[in-house]
Amino acid sequence: GQNIDQPTEMTATEGAIVQINCTYQTSGFNGLFWYQQHAGEAPTFLSYNVLDGLEEKGRFSSFLSRSKGYSYLLLKELQMKDSASYLCAVRDQYGGATNKLIFGTGTLLAVQP
Amino acid sequence: ETGVTQSPTHLIKTRGQQVTLRCSSQSGHNTVSWYQQALGQGPQFIFQYYREEENGRGNFPPRFSGLQFPNYSSELNVNALELDDSALYLCASSLAWGFGERGDTQYFGPGTRLTVL
Repeated sequence: GQNIDQPTEMTATEGAIVQINCTYQTSGFNGLFWYQQHAGEAPTFLSYNVLDGLEEKGRFSSFLSRSKGYSYLLLKELQMKDSASYLCAVRDQYGGATNKLIFGTGTLLAVQP
Repeated sequence: ETGVTQSPTHLIKTRGQQVTLRCSSQSGHNTVSWYQQALGQGPQFIFQYYREEENGRGNFPPRFSGLQFPNYSSELNVNALELDDSALYLCASSLAWGFGERGDTQYFGPGTRLTVL
């Protein structure tokens, strides 16, 4: 089956660092994406990993371990505007759609002053 | 701004009616995917179109259908609406297949909020 797990909610303090974990079990794997989604808005692309290791992009970093089916998104120097839902998505080639994304339910991050 | 637009922003329909949602892809993108996002859930893949042909489908019944046009705009049609169809419908455009340095990232439009009464 296809399963992507991430915590439902997290709370962190402005200026701090937070790590959002994601574990996945999918029939195929061709990359893992992280998206940010503010309430009522479209998901916005944050990062992409297809090989093991850490990808850094400003205040955001994403890590992937394919052997463990595990990824995390690291947010540094948290700002109030980082309060949003963070979606982990795996690109799965099963079923013929070569660019199909399977999403987790999202992690709602609340940044407090 | 992703360059992907959708219309309408909001829509209210009643059970049994039909609805058409529209999406304009980012310039140069030849693949469009449609997703349904229920409240508090992640987006669920409906189907994908590449060069005007369906290129994969999720677990959605045939009353969900789509079209992609030569100018890369697209439509999602839903017949015989049910209460459970109430959701945010997102389209995402991307380049070609699932390859490339950025993995042919999908860029999402702002969505259409559909309410079925």
